[in-house]
Amino acid sequence: DVKVTQSSRYLVKRTGEKVFLECVQDMDHENMFWYRQDPGLGLRLIYFSYDVKMKEKGDIPEGYSVSREKKERFSLILESASTNQTSMYLCASSILGPGGSEAFFGQGTRLTVV
Amino acid sequence: DQQVKQNSPSLSVQEGRISILNCDYTNSMFDYFLWYKKYPAEGPTFLISISSIKDKNEDGRFTVFLNKSAKHLSLHIVPSQPGDSAVYFCAASAGQVEYGNKLVFGAGTILRVKS
Repeated sequence: DVKVTQSSRYLVKRTGEKVFLECVQDMDHENMFWYRQDPGLGLRLIYFSYDVKMKEKGDIPEGYSVSREKKERFSLILESASTNQTSMYLCASSILGPGGSEAFFGQGTRLTVV
Repeated sequence: DQQVKQNSPSLSVQEGRISILNCDYTNSMFDYFLWYKKYPAEGPTFLISISSIKDKNEDGRFTVFLNKSAKHLSLHIVPSQPGDSAVYFCAASAGQVEYGNKLVFGAGTILRVKS
């Protein structure tokens, strides 16, 4: 059974804190993604990575950074958390190849910044 | 600039009837399209996909239709069941490896199936 695991289901952090969201996949997928989901806006891509140490900005990278030191792990970092980063964060992975492929999602992390 | 648009925020359907969810896209580089279903407090789960070389793909109660000339796709659920009540997201990607198979999502449509 394929699995994408996010380290926390719920997090509450203070404004200005540095926040780490961790994601691990066990499918040997090349691609990994971080999205945030907000009502009425759907899933917006923050960053994605198609190889170890490679990263590409998505549509809303401001205020975030990522790290991919190992193929199975993709971390999202909020450098200085702000209240407008309160959201549901979703990690996903997929294989890299021509023709496209489905992405598998983790269960999500509900982050509240106070 | 939204590249994938789901213009109906919500849809309400009677149990046993057909549900039709619509999606439009603007990027002509997209050649692979997917539908995901999401329950509250869970990650999205893959439902069905279609490649741009096809115009229809069927899987049980779920059928996706693609109209490339109109840049439009739709998901049909027949018959609709109360357990289908969820948020449905349309997604698209450019299949070329150099794009990393990045998935772009629409805003979602909340489907409510009434019993």
